[in-house]
Amino acid sequence: DAGVIQSPRHEVTEMGQEVTLRCKPISGHNSLFWYRQTMMRGLELLIYFNNNVPIDDSGMPEDRFSAKMPNASFSTLKIQPSEPRDSAVYFCASSQLNTGELFFGEGSRLTVL
Amino acid sequence: DAKTTQPNSMESNEEEPVHLPCNHSTISGTDYIHWYRQLPSQGPEYVIHGLTSNVNNRMASLAIAEDRKSSTLILHRATLRDAAVYYCILRDMNRDDKIIFGKGTRLHILP
Repeated sequence: DAGVIQSPRHEVTEMGQEVTLRCKPISGHNSLFWYRQTMMRGLELLIYFNNNVPIDDSGMPEDRFSAKMPNASFSTLKIQPSEPRDSAVYFCASSQLNTGELFFGEGSRLTVL
Repeated sequence: DAKTTQPNSMESNEEEPVHLPCNHSTISGTDYIHWYRQLPSQGPEYVIHGLTSNVNNRMASLAIAEDRKSSTLILHRATLRDAAVYYCILRDMNRDDKIIFGKGTRLHILP
């Protein structure tokens, strides 16, 4: 299995631009998580889905952030408009419901100038 | 969310055992204890998890106190590649699937 696949690996954009991060979970996994990591705040859970349905989005910073999971094999995290404080590494992870192991992607490093 | 407390950092010599402690005094009966680690420039990776009994796998051992208010991750023979941030996490597998990461312990391995 290829593992959790995220794209792009790196993105540099200017303030005000729209950013879309993509994630393909491991086939057969039915839970998907989006995390953000910065030096100051560590790893923060933004949102997670079970069976493509958003369960808890309380970690989403504000309305500029949105996430979708149109099917079991694809999810997006969108930031519109982006701001410099959104600069971080964004991780996607997947797992099977109610099991122990969470599998992380390699992350998308976002820099907003 | 149930909370865990870990030391900010630890040091160990290469090829020696490492014991990484975690306190979780407010653990509930259905909370599993999970450990993840994050190597430099990588996403976190699963290490081990347990409920009540001690657990062993190819990466590490997990020793859980009898009252479950603390646990210890044991790396039997540390290598330089074990230098990472280690996270101890409680997860109620029955109630919801959130995994909340704290600050973790940064483990330095001395050659």
